[in-house]
Amino acid sequence: GAGVSQSPSNKVTEKGKDVELRCDPISGHTALYWYRQSLGQGLEFLIYFQGNSAPDKSGLPSDRFSAERTGGSVSTLTIQRTQQEDSAVYLCASSYPTGTSGGPPSGDTQYFGPGTRLTVL
Amino acid sequence: KNQVEQSPQSLIILEGKNCTLQCNYTVSPFSNLRWYKQDTGRGPVSLTIMTFSENTKSNGRYTATLDADTKQSSLHITASQLSDSASYICVVSGTGGSYIPTFGRGTSLIVHP
Repeated sequence: GAGVSQSPSNKVTEKGKDVELRCDPISGHTALYWYRQSLGQGLEFLIYFQGNSAPDKSGLPSDRFSAERTGGSVSTLTIQRTQQEDSAVYLCASSYPTGTSGGPPSGDTQYFGPGTRLTVL
Repeated sequence: KNQVEQSPQSLIILEGKNCTLQCNYTVSPFSNLRWYKQDTGRGPVSLTIMTFSENTKSNGRYTATLDADTKQSSLHITASQLSDSASYICVVSGTGGSYIPTFGRGTSLIVHP
């Protein structure tokens, strides 16, 4: 079946503009993650969605960042008033959690999309 | 603080040669460790996963080892191919309700013909 898809693949914007990045997870995967990967850095966790539960937004770097997941499938990451330091590759991953009820699972295989390369001029 | 350190940062080898990448971590309590391969312009792809009780896992020419006592892992690539050129990322997950894994910065491997 189809893997995780992201769009656009590349986005160049001017400082101060808003951008929306889209992620289509693998069908049936209830967990969805957004990460940011800056040059030479490890992946930085941004936000986690699991089913109908409230998302974990603990990784969002500022209130300019927000994300939604509609219908438990497609997710959109929005960055308002972009800054040059927002330039990075934004990766989305989905998984099918296999942990026990009452707590989030750890270490389920995450399937990554190709990422969106964001450049803020 | 949970950390994952990888070495070397970059590595250049000739096609056909073997190489070993290292990963040290401080994630505790430990659940599992994965090695991912990330080709340029692509998302990471899982190569191996090891839990506490496993000390070696192979996937074709890739062999990962884990020493949970010293909190070290290695990824050995045998008979390297040009297509092995990529970034290799060590990812460690903990238990206790933490579902956010800790990612290393990766080792950039270049295989020359």
